[in-house]
Amino acid sequence: QKEVEQNSGPLSVPEGAIASLNCTYSDRGSQSFFWYRQYSGKSPELIMSIYSNGDKEDGRFTAQLNKASQYVSLLIRDSQPSDSATYLCAVRGGRDDKIIFGKGTRLHILP
Amino acid sequence: NAGVTQTPKFQVLKTGQSMTLQCAQDMNHNSMYWYRQDPGMGLRLIYYSASEGTTDKGEVPNGYNVSRLNKREFSLRLESAAPSQTSVYFCASSESSAQETQYFGPGTRLLVL
Repeated sequence: QKEVEQNSGPLSVPEGAIASLNCTYSDRGSQSFFWYRQYSGKSPELIMSIYSNGDKEDGRFTAQLNKASQYVSLLIRDSQPSDSATYLCAVRGGRDDKIIFGKGTRLHILP
Repeated sequence: NAGVTQTPKFQVLKTGQSMTLQCAQDMNHNSMYWYRQDPGMGLRLIYYSASEGTTDKGEVPNGYNVSRLNKREFSLRLESAAPSQTSVYFCASSESSAQETQYFGPGTRLLVL
């Protein structure tokens, strides 16, 4: 059974600082990695996807993937109160090719 | 474009009652999915349809049935609701089963008493 692990939080970060969210996965054959953001009472929305080792930047967001360590992270620079949400890590590929979601990390940006 | 729509938004059922959750997408996507989300459990896949005419079980299919009515619509049926099925249900779609970006509907909050 493929597993995706995240610290549930809450992770509290001062406004303007860098928020670092982490995710580990169990299936070494996994190939696709995603970060979704979910505001309270709303549906998840995709903010980043990454497929190869290294960093991928999109505006204030940077996804980092290390397949050898089976680790994927999301950095949010210049954190804003509007970034306060739950961030879901999702992983696809490997044994059954289905997308598996982690339980999410609650992020709270302190004004 | 409305994207992915779900009805109803809220529903209260008594144990043993049945109901169907409706989902429709207007993005001409081939693949559609049903998830449930419980506190502390994350999103779990119930059933999915890789393309019109096909359906497959996900991680937690027991107690549910699905119908891919046409390319646009994918419904989820609870034949005999149980309190354990109290949850928020999300429908999602993607261009194909190999296209990873999934677009989610607004969700249906279901309470089973």
